[in-house]
Amino acid sequence: TAGITQAPTSQILAAGRSMTLRCTQDMRHNAMYWYRQDLGLGLRLIHYSNTAGTTGKGEVPDGYSVSRANTDDFPLTLASAVPSQTSVYFCASSLNSNQPQHFGDGTRLSIL
Amino acid sequence: GQNIDQPTEMTATEGAIVQINCTYQTSGFNGLFWYQQHAGEAPTFLSYNVLDGLEEKGRFSSFLSRSKGYSYLLLKELQMKDSASYLCATLDSNYQLIWGAGTKLIIKP
Repeated sequence: TAGITQAPTSQILAAGRSMTLRCTQDMRHNAMYWYRQDLGLGLRLIHYSNTAGTTGKGEVPDGYSVSRANTDDFPLTLASAVPSQTSVYFCASSLNSNQPQHFGDGTRLSIL
Repeated sequence: GQNIDQPTEMTATEGAIVQINCTYQTSGFNGLFWYQQHAGEAPTFLSYNVLDGLEEKGRFSSFLSRSKGYSYLLLKELQMKDSASYLCATLDSNYQLIWGAGTKLIIKP
């Protein structure tokens, strides 16, 4: 089944450790996105990529990095996790930046 | 600045009609999206408006007025499965989505 896959589903991580959240899509979408969703707040864009080989910073990029080596994969890395990064992380993709976004199932990350 | 406002929570009765409003102020405008998000799940796309007027899709309709910075999502013949959060988002001048905090819709029998 075509779609967008995130891994892991959930993770508990000690503060100061690094972590990479994986995201893969098989819809040949050009644009991909990483959001975090916190209770009472809207989805906030962390980083995005309009096409393979390019990335950009969203609203809350500090403490996170991304890469887009190919069309399908868009990993998000936390270099040194802090408790304020406890959140639900959603990866999304769209054919182009003005098209509807399709979301993965999310990664629930707790930093202790 | 950029801002999207929608009510935090609404309650409606099964079989009835409900209208969820969204007002926005964003730098540039390239369309407005509505998404549905059930608790613990990912958002799913409902509708997209870029021109003024009403877009109908089954039991759901979405309206846009660009001059007023206003949209609404209309849900008819409400079913229990419609209990979810409804997210309004606008596409700004950089083609990035700006999201509202969402409206939690509670359907009562």
